[in-house]
Amino acid sequence: AQSVTQLGSHVSVSEGALVLLRCNYSSSVPPYLFWYVQYPNQGLQLLLKYTSAATLVKGINGFEAEFKKSETSFHLTKPSAHMSDAAEYFCAVSSGGSSNTGKLIFGQGTTLQVKP
Amino acid sequence: NAGVTQTPKFRVLKTGQSMTLLCAQDMNHEYMYWYRQDPGMGLRLIHYSVGEGTTAKGEVPDGYNVSRLKKQNFLLGLESAAPSQTSVYFCASSYGLAGLTTQYFGPGTRLLVL
Repeated sequence: AQSVTQLGSHVSVSEGALVLLRCNYSSSVPPYLFWYVQYPNQGLQLLLKYTSAATLVKGINGFEAEFKKSETSFHLTKPSAHMSDAAEYFCAVSSGGSSNTGKLIFGQGTTLQVKP
Repeated sequence: NAGVTQTPKFRVLKTGQSMTLLCAQDMNHEYMYWYRQDPGMGLRLIHYSVGEGTTAKGEVPDGYNVSRLKKQNFLLGLESAAPSQTSVYFCASSYGLAGLTTQYFGPGTRLLVL
């Protein structure tokens, strides 16, 4: 069975500081991995996804994530936080390859607070 | 192009009442999904559909039913609401399987069951 664990339900950074949101996954088959962002009172929006191509994935709004198979991790980073980055972030996994079920398993979410 | 829309945006029900949540998408997507979001638990898949006339159970299907009579619409029904079904419900759609294509989410429906 697949699962996702996001370390830290709440992360606080200062504006201009590095953003690091942690995600570890468990999957018995090659995974597809995703980061979604949810702004207050809105639906989820895709930030980036890994589908077995380049291990370093660049997304929207300056975010990127690196797939590390040996560490079963897919951490999200941004070099310099902006006030507009304050939101809830979700990591998700889907089974890849021939066993792709088309279903996403989400982590518990991490709320990012950006202080001025 | 409205994307994914959900009706209603907010609803209060009494225990035992029934209701239907409507999801509509105008992107001609084959796949549609219903999730519930609860604090500290992320999103959990309730039911999904891989095409018109098909439905399948997700992670937490008990107490819910769904129908996909038209390709653009995916209905979620609560036959007898319970307080445990208080949640925010999100609908999503995708062109293909979730691993290969992006899921597009609606704005959500907040449901309070008293």
